[in-house]
Amino acid sequence: QVQLVESGGGVVQPGRSLRLSCAASGFSFSRYAMHWVRQVPGKGLQWMAVVSYYGDDKFYADSVKGRFTISRDNSKDTLYLQMNTLRAEDTAVYNCARSLRLYGSGSHLDYWGQGTLVTVSS
Amino acid sequence: EIVLTQSPGTLSLSPGERATLSCRASQSVSSSYLAWYQQKPGQAPRLLIHGASSRATGIPDRFSGSGSGTDFTLTISRLEPEDFAVYYCQQYGTSPRYSFGQGTKLEMK
Repeated sequence: QVQLVESGGGVVQPGRSLRLSCAASGFSFSRYAMHWVRQVPGKGLQWMAVVSYYGDDKFYADSVKGRFTISRDNSKDTLYLQMNTLRAEDTAVYNCARSLRLYGSGSHLDYWGQGTLVTVSS
Repeated sequence: EIVLTQSPGTLSLSPGERATLSCRASQSVSSSYLAWYQQKPGQAPRLLIHGASSRATGIPDRFSGSGSGTDFTLTISRLEPEDFAVYYCQQYGTSPRYSFGQGTKLEMK
């Protein structure tokens, strides 16, 4: 069965960096675009970034463009999110999710991981 | 960026009743590229509806989606106890700029 398992969250000081991972299993990882979506505890969902099948196309929400980098390693079936210059407002649960397409038809998010909590605090 | 506004913020109903949730977009959503997700406390979101009206695999037929352009609706025909959750709409149009609505909390009266 499809599984997405995030890791790498924790407590980090403002201005520091953190790298999240999302390990995929149960499907052909390289055939799916992959996303990061975050959720401040008790609040709504915020789409962060998407990477194409082979990692050559990447798109970001304006709020993280230039600070966060999405990448993937298809040989390891793993998605990454490198987060730099972290701010208190980046505190959230970070979920990875997959879509069949990068955008348009088939780009709804059909499977999600449970998420990993990132807390930015001094 | 397309802004999605969901209403109401909270909906209080009883099991067996019909629920109607609304999602309004600030501009037309291309080709009805709109999805609905359900999220229960401590769980990841689950895809319910895509393409505005297509049920995802394994979703009961009491869930239905409708609408086009800027106005979309999620209807739950007869509420079951497990349906009380938060529901989000999301657009995924002709560019990789996704956005979610702020959510509607469906609570048991």
